[in-house]
Amino acid sequence: NAGVTQTPKFQVLKTGQSMTLQCAQDMNHEYMSWYRQDPGMGLRLIHYSVGAGITDQGEVPNGYNVSRSTTEDFPLRLLSAAPSQTSVYFCASSYPTGAGTAFFGQGTRLTVV
Amino acid sequence: AQTVTQSQPEMSVQEAETVTLSCTYDTSESDYYLFWYKQPPSRQMILVIRQEAYKQQNATENRFSVNFQKAAKSFSLKISDSQLGDAAMYFCAYRSPETSGSRLTFGEGTQLTVNP
Repeated sequence: NAGVTQTPKFQVLKTGQSMTLQCAQDMNHEYMSWYRQDPGMGLRLIHYSVGAGITDQGEVPNGYNVSRSTTEDFPLRLLSAAPSQTSVYFCASSYPTGAGTAFFGQGTRLTVV
Repeated sequence: AQTVTQSQPEMSVQEAETVTLSCTYDTSESDYYLFWYKQPPSRQMILVIRQEAYKQQNATENRFSVNFQKAAKSFSLKISDSQLGDAAMYFCAYRSPETSGSRLTFGEGTQLTVNP
């Protein structure tokens, strides 16, 4: 059972570069989210999606872009990387509302130099 | 908007003893879900325990239990008979009933050290 798969696990970028963090889930979950984890701040919601073709902003969306063309995939794009985007990024998925529990990927550690 | 606060950045416990991690939250909703997640050095987010606000009974999962005080908006995690494998970062999280399971508000985290 793959669950939620994030790639890559580690990445180093130079300031100004762009890249896409990949997230795929094989549980047919409609809901997917991206978080960033920073020391002393917990996990903060970047963007989320309630289904293919539908996305919305979370708490810290600036500098990130998302799209959801399929149920399985929810990529996160950094348009022009900045040192402030150095963080650990998590993707999560779940069934719709109710008692549905979030399933998390293994995280991507991103360093922007 | 809801907020979650964990006031203990670090805690330590002796192996086999009991430790309690604190969490408070702020919400105007009457129904919601609360969670404790464990994050070991592997970074994997592991669900430890879940509490539905409409249930008065405190949730328990083996050595893990919660003290849910709805009026006080408090949700503490008690770990009994602590084991070395319990050493991890612990996050308290809140979810509104109208939002999906993957849309959570997290606290800052508590780093738990277990001493042999």
